[in-house]
Amino acid sequence: EAQVTQNPRYLITVTGKKLTVTCSQNMNHEYMSWYRQDPGLGLRQIYYSMNVEVTDKGDVPEGYKVSRKEKRNFPLILESPSPNQTSLYFCASGRWGPYEQYFGPGTRLTVT
Amino acid sequence: SQQGEEDPQALSIQEGENATMNCSYKTSINNLQWYRQNSGRGLVHLILIRSNEREKHSGRLRVTLDTSKKSSSLLITASRAADTASYFCAAMGIGGGADGLTFGKGTHLIIQP
Repeated sequence: EAQVTQNPRYLITVTGKKLTVTCSQNMNHEYMSWYRQDPGLGLRQIYYSMNVEVTDKGDVPEGYKVSRKEKRNFPLILESPSPNQTSLYFCASGRWGPYEQYFGPGTRLTVT
Repeated sequence: SQQGEEDPQALSIQEGENATMNCSYKTSINNLQWYRQNSGRGLVHLILIRSNEREKHSGRLRVTLDTSKKSSSLLITASRAADTASYFCAAMGIGGGADGLTFGKGTHLIIQP
């Protein structure tokens, strides 16, 4: 089954404790992306990757890091989380760009 | 930013009626996409319309695009309770994938049985 998986699905953590949210897709897609969704603000892109070893900033990259060492994986790293990063995070992939993207189920992060 | 803005923010209709949602964006686009999100879940791609297309159909969905007005509409015909969800438009700039995809804030659609 074609899918994008994210882990963990729920995470409560404290300010400053480094964390990683994993994302994996099984469709051999070139393009992967991370979004955050906040009430009243919709979805905003954090980072995206057009291919292995190619990443670029989206609209709200501050406080986040990503890497793309393999085509299937695109982890999101928060080196020092802060409460304003409390949000619902989605990973997505597309065959060769942000066209007809497949989304993961989401990771609900709370930073206290 | 190519931000799309949906209108209305919320819409409640009776099952069987048609639902229309509108989207406006700011500058020239490569394409415009519509996605559906069931409560708290990941988004599901519904339909993509390219800048040189005016209308597109997919099952009970009909999308129109008016580039002169920088607007698009999504029509869901013969609505069903299962159509209850939030609907987002997403605009892609003329640079294509490198411009990224900018989502609007969504229309929350409620279908009353």
